[in-house]
Amino acid sequence: DSGVTQTPKHLITATGQRVTLRCSPRSGDLSVYWYQQSLDQGLQFLIQYYNGEERAKGNILERFSAQQFPDLHSELNLSSLELGDSALYFCASSVAKGSQPGYVSAETQYFGPGTRLLVL
Amino acid sequence: QKEVEQDPGPLSVPEGAIVSLNCTYSNSAFQYFMWYRQYSRKGPELLMYTYSSGNKEDGRFTAQVDKSSKYISLFIRDSQPSDSATYLCAMSPYNTDKLIFGTGTRLQVFP
Repeated sequence: DSGVTQTPKHLITATGQRVTLRCSPRSGDLSVYWYQQSLDQGLQFLIQYYNGEERAKGNILERFSAQQFPDLHSELNLSSLELGDSALYFCASSVAKGSQPGYVSAETQYFGPGTRLLVL
Repeated sequence: QKEVEQDPGPLSVPEGAIVSLNCTYSNSAFQYFMWYRQYSRKGPELLMYTYSSGNKEDGRFTAQVDKSSKYISLFIRDSQPSDSATYLCAMSPYNTDKLIFGTGTRLQVFP
């Protein structure tokens, strides 16, 4: 058990709908990362938050958004869902901030169990 | 062309075999190299982490990085059925937490 929790475990919805995925990081971790894992694309970095602020952005669609709350949990909002959005969505956390000269932190990401999203 | 290339497998080996898993990459800025193991329906878990070139050993696992060839490897000695999983390589440039993953190699170790 990594200490990162994600809810729900499974989500089935229809095209055009909006869903919210929730992540609670490990105790003491300030950074939260969201990843999308699909069969054809593998694990893709979406976005990182550190202590409530957006820190890094990856291949995140404009239909997707995220935020990190004062208690450090994070939510990933997916709207206008399409069939191709069906995937596993992982949250990871680390204590690190990153993006600072000399700051070595890439090894400390711990992944949650994921949310399996199926868009019908 | 993807930044990180990894053979998806599947790779099927008998128990006790030495397994070699590999990734190639194109971005010379990558400095940190990781291997994650992912069991079916679970999140990835960090197995090995190396910085720059060289070898690192941890029990039955050895990670190698050859930056001149842009090639990384994970060796598993005395493989066990419990090693059956998907192995993902991941890498990161200096000064960032953004991980770039390979697509993963599915390994099956049969008794």
